[in-house]
Amino acid sequence: GAGVSQTPSNKVTEKGKYVELRCDPISGHTALYWYRQSLGQGPEFLIYFQGTGAADDSGLPNDRFFAVRPEGSVSTLKIQRTERGDSAVYLCASSSEGGGLAGELFFGEGSRLTVL
Amino acid sequence: GESVGLHLPTLSVQEGDNSIINCAYSNSASDYFIWYKQESGKGPQFIIDIRSNMDKRQGQRVTVLLNKTVKHLSLQIAATQPGDSAVYFCAENFTDKLIFGTGTRLQVFP
Repeated sequence: GAGVSQTPSNKVTEKGKYVELRCDPISGHTALYWYRQSLGQGPEFLIYFQGTGAADDSGLPNDRFFAVRPEGSVSTLKIQRTERGDSAVYLCASSSEGGGLAGELFFGEGSRLTVL
Repeated sequence: GESVGLHLPTLSVQEGDNSIINCAYSNSASDYFIWYKQESGKGPQFIIDIRSNMDKRQGQRVTVLLNKTVKHLSLQIAATQPGDSAVYFCAENFTDKLIFGTGTRLQVFP
C-alpha cells in the first residue's frame, strides 16, 4: 500500500487479556517505530526496529509488552495481561533511513486500544 | 505557561492571520527536529523539518525557526486557513528516536 497500515483500528478487550496489534510499513522502509499516545499527550516512544532486530526497546514500559518483526517488514506489538492503564492509541511509523533517524517518519492512523 | 495532561495549550487565530506555535525541546545534543500536524483520529503528519546546523527553513506557507541557545523551536503558518486546525507537535531526534513535545491545539475561526 501507499502508506503505513495498522490493524485493528479499534480494539476493546477486558483486563487481563492478551492483544496483538499489527503494523504494515511502507514497502522498502527499513526502520519501524512503535509509539503510544494517551489522550491529550504527544506520542511516547516504545521500540524501534532496524530490519529484523530491535535497535532500541528502552520505551517499553514493562515485560508485558513485546514486539517482533521477524522478516523485516510487518511488525506485531504484543501486550500480555492487559491493564486499564494500557488504554491508548498505539501508533506505528516507518522510515526509509538506515542506520538511525535522519529523515521523516511516516505514521499510520493508529490502533485504539481500550481495556475495560 | 504550558499545561500538561488533558489540557493542551490552545492558540486561537482568525482565518487569514499568521500563526506562531512555540516549542521548547529537552536535549542539547538533538540534531534534527520535525513539526507534525495531527488531526482528530489520525496519525501525525509531517509538516517541515530542520537540522541543527540551520536556524531557519521555509516551506509552503510554513517557516520553522530554531534557536539552539535556548533550545526553542517555532512554527510559523502564514495566512492560516480553517484546514490548519489541528494539534501541532514538535519532535526532536535524540539517540535515533523522535521525542515528542506535549503539543499545541490550533483553532482557526472564520
